[in-house]
Amino acid sequence: GAGVSQSPRYKVAKRGQDVALRCDPISGHVSLFWYQQALGQGPEFLTYFQNEAQLDKSGLPSDRFFAERPEGSVSTLKIQRTQQEDSAVYLCASTGREALNTGELFFGEGSRLTVL
Amino acid sequence: AQSVTQLGSHVSVSEGALVLLRCNYSSSVPPYLFWYVQYPNQGLQLLLKYTTGATLVKGINGFEAEFKKSETSFHLTKPSAHMSDAAEYFCAVSETGGFKTIFGAGTRLFVKA
Repeated sequence: GAGVSQSPRYKVAKRGQDVALRCDPISGHVSLFWYQQALGQGPEFLTYFQNEAQLDKSGLPSDRFFAERPEGSVSTLKIQRTQQEDSAVYLCASTGREALNTGELFFGEGSRLTVL
Repeated sequence: AQSVTQLGSHVSVSEGALVLLRCNYSSSVPPYLFWYVQYPNQGLQLLLKYTTGATLVKGINGFEAEFKKSETSFHLTKPSAHMSDAAEYFCAVSETGGFKTIFGAGTRLFVKA
């Protein structure tokens, strides 16, 4: 597609529910990133994929967070047993091979998660 | 480890005035530096980037930034603010050859008529 697409744009979950957030990167982009942006803060790195391989998951805040990209394209970020502190905007970004070493990222509009 | 500090969470300028958003970084290796802009309910959009070469970098919408290694700074400027510049601006750093981009906390720019 023309840009990075994320769904749902808005998600309200009750505390304890599981949620799944989807990211469809720009076609052909090998690298995919997930960031968490709390209200009034900058994006915080969560995890990074190159094709289907998850090369860095050091930013995932707990083992309730899990990300996958099984076919090297679409990615899903899953949060189990959601807590109020998980409320944030989850941003997905992708980058092509030519920009891999410069760090230029192309962002989606984000999925805003509110946990009640 | 890399880090980014943006001085001032809020900056307010009058339309037509100079815009100056400050950014200092920390990196153990030569950095790549970026400014991104975020409009309400939208994702981040790249304004400009420094990788190598000329230290004065020009971006979209009339913005520019200068990489000053001795000051570890990458401040963003625009000579004349426009109402449409009102947004959140993020400075970011990634290490040469690396993939993890670290963002500052952001500066919200207000433009007064």
